[in-house]
Amino acid sequence: AQSVTQLDSQVPVFEEAPVELRCNYSSSVSVYLFWYVQYPNQGLQLLLKYLSGSTLVKGINGFEAEFNKSQTSFHLRKPSVHISDTAEYFCAVSDTGGFKTIFGAGTRLFVKA
Amino acid sequence: EAGVVQSPRYKIIEKKQPVAFWCNPISGHNTLYWYLQNLGQGPELLIRYENEEAVDDSQLPKDRFSAERLKGVDSTLKIQPAELGDSAVYLCASSLNRGDGEAFFGQGTRLTVV
Repeated sequence: AQSVTQLDSQVPVFEEAPVELRCNYSSSVSVYLFWYVQYPNQGLQLLLKYLSGSTLVKGINGFEAEFNKSQTSFHLRKPSVHISDTAEYFCAVSDTGGFKTIFGAGTRLFVKA
Repeated sequence: EAGVVQSPRYKIIEKKQPVAFWCNPISGHNTLYWYLQNLGQGPELLIRYENEEAVDDSQLPKDRFSAERLKGVDSTLKIQPAELGDSAVYLCASSLNRGDGEAFFGQGTRLTVV
């Protein structure tokens, strides 16, 4: 069975500052890893995914994440955030069949002017 | 391309009443999911369909919840009778059956049971 822990429930940051949202997972088998974003009153939208290959994954809206197998982490980063990045961010893990996806509890990113 | 469409967006019902949610997935997506999202939590899978077959319903509370996906396209999720603890957002998602785990989500139905 897999599990996901998002280490911060809320992250306040000033506009144009860098940000890192932390995610750790546990699994006894190989996994796929995902970051989704949820804007208020919206569904989830995929930011990026790691399936295999390069451990640095680039996604939409300038976000990137790095898969670290030894530390079982998949932290999300952005070098300079905008007000419009204010949203809830979910880390997720699935088996390599891609069907059983477990979501973390979410991190609320609040970008301040 | 149209996304996943859910209706209604909001629903308020009294406890013990029945309620139904509808989902139209992206055209061509044969995998359909229903998720429950409690306030401040991530989505939790209720049921997954491959075409019209429910292949994972282990987390669906079958005493009061039911779902169907006739003809392998649209799907409905029903609760009867609703309880106060069912207040949550119900998300539908769909994906191509290509094993990469990427799912496309609808906007959800926010259910309030009073």
